[in-house]
Amino acid sequence: AQSVTQLDSQVPVFEEAPVELRCNYSSSVSVYLFWYVQYPNQGLQLLLKYLSGSTLVKGINGFEAEFNKSQTSFHLRKPSVHISDTAEYFCAVTRRRMDTGRRALTFGSGTRLQVQP
Amino acid sequence: NAGVTQTPKFQVLKTGQSMTLQCAQDMNHEYMSWYRQDPGMGLRLIHYSVGAGITDQGEVPNGYNVSRSTTEDFPLRLLSAAPSQTSVYFCASSYSQGVYNEQFFGPGTRLTVL
Repeated sequence: AQSVTQLDSQVPVFEEAPVELRCNYSSSVSVYLFWYVQYPNQGLQLLLKYLSGSTLVKGINGFEAEFNKSQTSFHLRKPSVHISDTAEYFCAVTRRRMDTGRRALTFGSGTRLQVQP
Repeated sequence: NAGVTQTPKFQVLKTGQSMTLQCAQDMNHEYMSWYRQDPGMGLRLIHYSVGAGITDQGEVPNGYNVSRSTTEDFPLRLLSAAPSQTSVYFCASSYSQGVYNEQFFGPGTRLTVL
C-alpha cells in the first residue's frame, strides 16, 4: 500500500529565510504527487502537482517541489518565505485501492509552517 | 462561481443524535468526496461519488451515509453521532474521477459530539 510521510509536524522559520518541507512516499508503481496548502480556517487549495515530465515542478506563490524517484521524495521548497505563507501544508499521493482497484488520494499528516518576523 | 459550499460551519451534537452535513458545488464537477481532518492524521476519505446516483466508500466510511441525487449536491449523513466523529469535515469536488485532477475544497464544517 502507498503511504505518505511528512517528517516534520512543525517548521518555524524567520521571514525571508528559505524553507524546505519534506515529504516521502512509499510506492513501487508510478504515482501522482501533490502539495496542498491550508490557510487558517479555510479549506485546502492546490499548490502544485507532479504527473510526469520534468522533475522540478513550480507552483503558486513561489513554491516549487522536486520529484526524486530514487529517494521516493517530493520535498517542497521556497527560497524566501513571507509572513503570509504561515499555513499548514499537506503532501498527497495517489493510491490504488486493493479492493476496488480505483485510485484515490492519500494525504500526509501535514506540516505547520510558522513564519516569524 | 461560489465554488464548493458547506453548511453548517459549526455544529455541536449529543451522542446518538443524527444530522446531515450539506455540500454543494456549482462547477458541474462529476467527482465529489468527503474527508475528515483530525490532528496529526491529515485528511482521510470517508465517501466519494463519481457522478449522480453513484457513490462508493473511502477509508473510513463507518457511521456515515451519502447519496448523490444531483450533480450539484453531496450530503453526508451521520446516523447516530459518536464522540469519535468529532472532527473537521471537508467536502471536495473535481472535474472527473482522475486523481490527477485538482480537487477544490469547501471551507469545512467543525463538528463536536458530546
